[in-house]
Amino acid sequence: AQKVTQAQTEISVVEKEDVTLDCVYETRDTTYYLFWYKQPPSGELVFLIRRNSFDEQNEISGRYSWNFQKSTSSFNFTITASQVVDSAVYFCALSGSGNTGKLIFGQGTTLQVKP
Amino acid sequence: GAGVSQTPSNKVTEKGKYVELRCDPISGHTALYWYRQSLGQGPEFLIYFQGTGAADDSGLPNDRFFAVRPEGSVSTLKIQRTERGDSAVYLCASSLVAQGGGNNEQFFGPGTRLTVL
Repeated sequence: AQKVTQAQTEISVVEKEDVTLDCVYETRDTTYYLFWYKQPPSGELVFLIRRNSFDEQNEISGRYSWNFQKSTSSFNFTITASQVVDSAVYFCALSGSGNTGKLIFGQGTTLQVKP
Repeated sequence: GAGVSQTPSNKVTEKGKYVELRCDPISGHTALYWYRQSLGQGPEFLIYFQGTGAADDSGLPNDRFFAVRPEGSVSTLKIQRTERGDSAVYLCASSLVAQGGGNNEQFFGPGTRLTVL
C-alpha cells in the first residue's frame, strides 16, 4: 500500500524564519514520483515540485528547497526567510509506477507566517 | 491559456437529491482526475480518465458516484441520492499524459464545494 505522512499538522513561524515541512512516504514501487503542492486560502492547489525516485539530488528554487532521502523515505521541504505570503496548507503527494498517475496525498501541514 | 475550470463553485442540495459537477480540463490534456477533499484533509482520489474511458475508478466510494467524459474533454461527476457525508470540496485535475509512473504534474481546478443538508 502507498501512504504519505505529514506529521506536522500546524506550524507557526515569524516572518524571516526558516521552516521545514516534513514528509515521509511508503511504497513498494521501485519507480515513483513525489510532489509538493501549496493550497493558499483561496483553495486552489498549486504545483511546486516533482521528483522521481531515481533522482536524489536536492533542489533549490529561490527560497524553496527540497531534500529527498530514499534511505529514510523522506521528501522534506524548506522555506528560507519565510514571508507572510507563504501562509498556506502544504501537501506532499506520491504517485507510483504501476498505476495511473493518481496522487496519494498526505494530510497536509498548515503553515502560518506571522509578520 | 485557461486553466482547469469547475462549475458550479458552490452547490447546496438536500439529502437524497441528485447532483452533477462539471470539469473543463486544460485544452489538450488527455488525463483527467477527480478528487474529493474533506475539511482538514488531503485530497482523496476518486477516478481517472485517459481520453474518454475511465481507466481507474477504484476511488469511487460506492455506486452512487459515477463520472463520464464522453468526448475526451469535459467531465461530469454525478452523485445520486446524496448523503450528508458527501459534503466536501470536489477537485478536478488534468495533465498532459499519465504514463506509468505519473510523471506529469497535475493542474487543479478551484473545486466545487458541495454541501448536503
